[in-house]
Amino acid sequence: QTVVTQEPSLTVSPGQTVTLTCTCSTGAVTSGNYPNWLQQKPGLAPRALIYSTQRRHSWTPARFSGSLIGGKATLTLSGVQPEDEAEYYCLLYSGGVWVFGGGTTLTV
Amino acid sequence: EVQLVQSAAEVQKPGATVRISCHVSGYTFTDYYIHWVQQAPGKGLQWVGLVDPEDDETIYGENFRGRVTIIADTLTDTAYMELSSLRPDDTAVYYCARGRLGFWGQGTLVTVSS
Repeated sequence: QTVVTQEPSLTVSPGQTVTLTCTCSTGAVTSGNYPNWLQQKPGLAPRALIYSTQRRHSWTPARFSGSLIGGKATLTLSGVQPEDEAEYYCLLYSGGVWVFGGGTTLTV
Repeated sequence: EVQLVQSAAEVQKPGATVRISCHVSGYTFTDYYIHWVQQAPGKGLQWVGLVDPEDDETIYGENFRGRVTIIADTLTDTAYMELSSLRPDDTAVYYCARGRLGFWGQGTLVTVSS
């Protein structure tokens, strides 16, 4: 069974840059895993930010960017805002199914 | 406006079966997959499965395979998720979401308790 791993928590100061990572137990994350990134704030449904590695939804602020680095999927927040404090989940397609990571709690 | 509207909260006993609906509007139902996602209280997201409304193809997550059935009714633009042999640890909010996960339902709380 595929396991997707994220940092449990990260802390960043407003205005700084932070990178969240997403790894896959089956090997390097590639574009064929179609990495997605979602944000969830308490009491709300998740909100999709990035799909297919780096594609932003129309509502995704430009400070959010997705990439593949060193065999991992990454979500970089450039110029973090206080409202970016949330839980972030990656979602990968692996072995014919989709698998969520455990989430990263981002504290700003 | 794209909308996904889910059915109301459910309380079920262990061993029972629950069926949740997700009615979509504002787009062509058959153009996008419908995903289902579970979130237990205070926990992360678990992918349950998906249906392709165009051809009824389904894919189920390993943790739910054998207990979950997802269907799409193109006559009513509604997707359904049925989870059987319910256990207390199935207590969770279940979300439907459109392909690429850009649009989500409001969530349906399923409580499993004797």
